[in-house]
Amino acid sequence: AQKVTQTQTSISVVEKTTVTMDCVYETRDSSYFLFWYKQTASGEIVFLIRQDSYKKENATVGHYSLNFQKPKSSIGLIITATQIEDSAVYFCAMRNYNQGKLIFGQGTKLSIKP
Amino acid sequence: GPKVLQIPSHQIIDMGQMVTLNCDPVSNHLYFYWYKQILGQQMEFLVNFYNGKVMEKSKLFKDQFSVERPDGSYFTLKIQPTALEDSAVYFCASSLPGLGAYAEQFFGPGTRLTVL
Repeated sequence: AQKVTQTQTSISVVEKTTVTMDCVYETRDSSYFLFWYKQTASGEIVFLIRQDSYKKENATVGHYSLNFQKPKSSIGLIITATQIEDSAVYFCAMRNYNQGKLIFGQGTKLSIKP
Repeated sequence: GPKVLQIPSHQIIDMGQMVTLNCDPVSNHLYFYWYKQILGQQMEFLVNFYNGKVMEKSKLFKDQFSVERPDGSYFTLKIQPTALEDSAVYFCASSLPGLGAYAEQFFGPGTRLTVL
């Protein structure tokens, strides 16, 4: 069965620092994709970054990067130089290669303080 | 970036009535999805749709639910009859053809459904 788990309910950091959010997943498939989305206060869901299971290099997009540890089934999101506008709920998600459905984690609420 | 639109943004309906949620997907996308989010929880997959057919559905996609996209118009989720537990925000998403690496799903702003 597929499952995505985010154990951090909420995180609060000071602006301009680095934050890491954890995510572990379960799947029986050998090929899969891992995603991070954020949901803003208005409810908008924004795609941030993707990791392909067959790639060893950690994905990086802007000030978002991933810490992909395949043996641990872990895909952490790292945000550097955080800004107030990064405050949102961050969802980790996965889907198997031959499926369209995304399986989401429970979300981590990130608060950035001045 | 590409935009998915959803109409209406909020719908209030009495239990037992029918409701149709409308989604205007990104113009060149061919895969369409519905997700359900209960307040404070994660999005949960309901169904995906391609070429006029349901490709995958979850246990949440009850018999009272149906989807269609007649003649390239809105992609719709119909619930008939509605139940109290259907109260949630429903997100539509769409993606390019293919289920491989480049089929990123783009989400709409959601329709908040309140069943009284």
